[in-house]
Amino acid sequence: KQEVTQIPAALSVPEGENLVLNCSFTDSAIYNLQWFRQDPGKGLTSLLLIQSSQREQTSGRLNASLDKSSGRSTLYIAASQPGDSATYLCAVEGFNKFYFGSGTKLNVKP
Amino acid sequence: EAQVTQNPRYLITVTGKKLTVTCSQNMNHEYMSWYRQDPGLGLRQIYYSMNVEVTDKGDVPEGYKVSRKEKRNFPLILESPSPNQTSLYFCASGLTGANTEAFFGQGTRLTVV
Repeated sequence: KQEVTQIPAALSVPEGENLVLNCSFTDSAIYNLQWFRQDPGKGLTSLLLIQSSQREQTSGRLNASLDKSSGRSTLYIAASQPGDSATYLCAVEGFNKFYFGSGTKLNVKP
Repeated sequence: EAQVTQNPRYLITVTGKKLTVTCSQNMNHEYMSWYRQDPGLGLRQIYYSMNVEVTDKGDVPEGYKVSRKEKRNFPLILESPSPNQTSLYFCASGLTGANTEAFFGQGTRLTVV
């Protein structure tokens, strides 16, 4: 069964720092990997989708990479801002379902 | 605007009182799914649907029912809610069930007392 692990569970950084969130998965047979942002009491907002044939995707200050063979993905956030504070979830897509990590709770201090 | 809409957003109910959480998407997606999110357990799939009249169990289907009579709607039914179904519920949709971007609703926080 696919297992998704996210490290660290929580992270607190000062504003302006570049940071990396890690995601690992046990089964490399995935269709794609998606990073989500979850704000308290709110839904999941899709940040980046990486197809299984791709190595990385970029959107603004966010860059996500995927290494299927090693079962790893990273989310890089450049020049972090207090508005980036949220929980970030990594999800790998298997057949008909997503497998989620438990998330990294990010706090960016002004 | 492309979106997945869940209602209600918040619900407090009593044990045994049947309830329905609605989910609607406006993207003409074939695939829809329900997840529940619990502290320490992450998001787990309850049920999914590949198309109209096609539904199947996810990882934690016990105590839940679903139906897919129309492409845009995928309600989650709790026939006899129990306190262990207190959770945050998310509906998701996608173009297909594989290799597709998933769109999630805003969530429904259910408390069963």
